[in-house]
Amino acid sequence: GIQVEQSPPDLILQEGANSTLRCNFSDSVNNLQWFHQNPWGQLINLFYIPSGTKQNGRLSATTVATERYSLLYISSSQTTDTGVYFCAVVGWGNAGNMLTFGGGTRLMVKP
Amino acid sequence: EAQVTQNPRYLITVTGKKLTVTCSQNMNHEYMSWYRQDPGLGLRQIYYSMNVEVTDKGDVPEGYKVSRKEKRNFPLILESPSPNQTSLYFCASRLQGGNTEAFFGQGTRLTVV
Repeated sequence: GIQVEQSPPDLILQEGANSTLRCNFSDSVNNLQWFHQNPWGQLINLFYIPSGTKQNGRLSATTVATERYSLLYISSSQTTDTGVYFCAVVGWGNAGNMLTFGGGTRLMVKP
Repeated sequence: EAQVTQNPRYLITVTGKKLTVTCSQNMNHEYMSWYRQDPGLGLRQIYYSMNVEVTDKGDVPEGYKVSRKEKRNFPLILESPSPNQTSLYFCASRLQGGNTEAFFGQGTRLTVV
């Protein structure tokens, strides 16, 4: 099946700093999503971005499907950004349309 | 408000006592699925359903059952829970097709003692 790798695995930022999270996938995809899992365990949708670039406030994301990677940018980080960020994909030809998750990037933003 | 609702949010139970975790969505989505999340293993799909009365196994179906009698509901049934089913469970839904956005419930934290 498709493999999804995220980097870095852990990240500590001072409030106000910027960061880039990366998601590499091993095969063509027709779905890519970024999620934020907050400290209470809830999975929050950030972006549905199988290709192209999107922005939402301080967050933006870019997927280059032909090169099999996606980037999540966090600018002017805040303590509320703390949590785990997951990338998840559905590979082309996946009969069950299953979302395959990467291992996540654990982010801590310090005040 | 469009949402996926799971209940209960937290549950502690004993080995062998049947339980059901409910999942309901109000977005008229055809596709629903269950995941479990474990430290070091990430999120893994348990079962999915492409529509009413259509269900299939995911990556880790052992010890679980599901049913899809109505479009909005997709309960997860543990007939005889065991401690290795202690986990954080998520229900998700989306429109049919792989290229549609998935939405997740709030999660159910299950402990089996």
